[in-house]
This record gives sequence, structure tokens and C-alpha cells, in this order.
Amino acid sequence: AQSVAQPEDQVNVAEGNPLTVKCTYSVSGNPYLFWYVQYPNRGLQFLLKYITGDNLVKGSYGFEAEFNKSQTSFHLKKPSALVSDSALYFCAVRDPINTGGFKTIFGAGTRLFVKA
Amino acid sequence: SAVISQKPSRDICQRGTSLTIQCQVDSQVTMMFWYRQQPGQSLTLIATANQGSEATYESGFVIDKFPISRPNLTFSTLTVSNMSPEDSSIYLCSVDSALNTEAFFGQGTRLTVV
Repeated sequence: AQSVAQPEDQVNVAEGNPLTVKCTYSVSGNPYLFWYVQYPNRGLQFLLKYITGDNLVKGSYGFEAEFNKSQTSFHLKKPSALVSDSALYFCAVRDPINTGGFKTIFGAGTRLFVKA
Repeated sequence: SAVISQKPSRDICQRGTSLTIQCQVDSQVTMMFWYRQQPGQSLTLIATANQGSEATYESGFVIDKFPISRPNLTFSTLTVSNMSPEDSSIYLCSVDSALNTEAFFGQGTRLTVV
């Protein structure tokens, strides 16, 4: 069965420092991978996705993520964190072969705190 | 992209009552999804709603508790029936247009059952 793991409940980083939010996945086929962000009292917003091609994908608000097939990881990164990046981040996976459709599985979420 | 309007944005309900949440999309979509997000937790898929067929429920969710309607390609409703405090959550509507595209979400309905 497909699954997503976000090993860190919370990540703390100082403003201006690089940030990494970790994600590993388990699917039987080639995964479609996504990152979403949720600000307080808001719905989820799409950040970036990996479908195929270049392993490094760039997304909204300066975020990027690297797909590593051998490590089954899709870590979210940003070179210089902003206080406004503080939010809840979700990694998500879709297995186009075995879901039988569009079902997306979400990780538990990682709360990012960026301190000024 | 798709713009999703979800109503109500929040509600406080008495236990034993039911609440119907509406989800309106600004374009026609094949598949609509309903998720539950309990406080501080991840999203759990409740069911997938396709127009013209019965919704497909995930393990742990049943139609009697969460009846869903999908009368056309732009609208769906989720009803939370016979509510208890354990149903207090954020309920989110989501749509997809293709396997390789991202999902779009409504703003969510924050439900508190007292």
C-alpha cells in the first residue's frame, strides 16, 4: 500500500537560514509527488510537484524539492527562510497505477516555525 | 486551476443533529473528494464523489454517517449525520482534473459539535 512519512512533527529555523522539510514515500510504481502548505484557518495551497523529468523541481514562494528514487525521498527545501513561511506543510503521493484513480495520500504534516 | 467555494466556513452544532456542507467549483470536474482534518492532524480521505454514480467511501467511513450528493459536474454536498463531539474537525472539499495535476482545495468548513 502507498504511504507517506514526514518524520518531523516540527522544524525550527532562523530567518535567513536554509530550511529542509523531510518526506519519504512508499509506492509500488512510479510516484507522483506533491507538497502543499496550509496557513492558519486556510485551505491547502499547492507548492510544487514531481511527475517526471528533472529530479529538482521548483515551486511557489522560492521552494524547491528533490526527487530521490533510490532513497524514496522528496524533501522540501528553501535556501533562505522567511518568517512568513511559518505554516503546516504536507507531502502527498499519488500512485497512478495502483490507486485506481486520483486518490492522494497525505503525510502527517510538519509544522515549520521560522524565527526572526 | 479551479476555484472552490465551500459553505459554511464554520459552524457550531448540537450533538445528534446533521450539517450539510456545500462545495461549488467554477469549472466542470470529473472527480471531487471530501477530506476530514482533525485538529492538528493530517487529511484523511472520506470519499470520492463522481457525478452520476454513488460515492466511494474509504475504510472507516460509511454512507449512513456521511451521505454525499453529486448532482452535476460543478457541485457536491457532504452531510455529517447524527453528530457527536468526535466529529469536530475541518472538512475539506477537493477537486482534480488529471492524474498529473495538483489537487485544489476549498477553504474548509470548521465544525464544532457541542
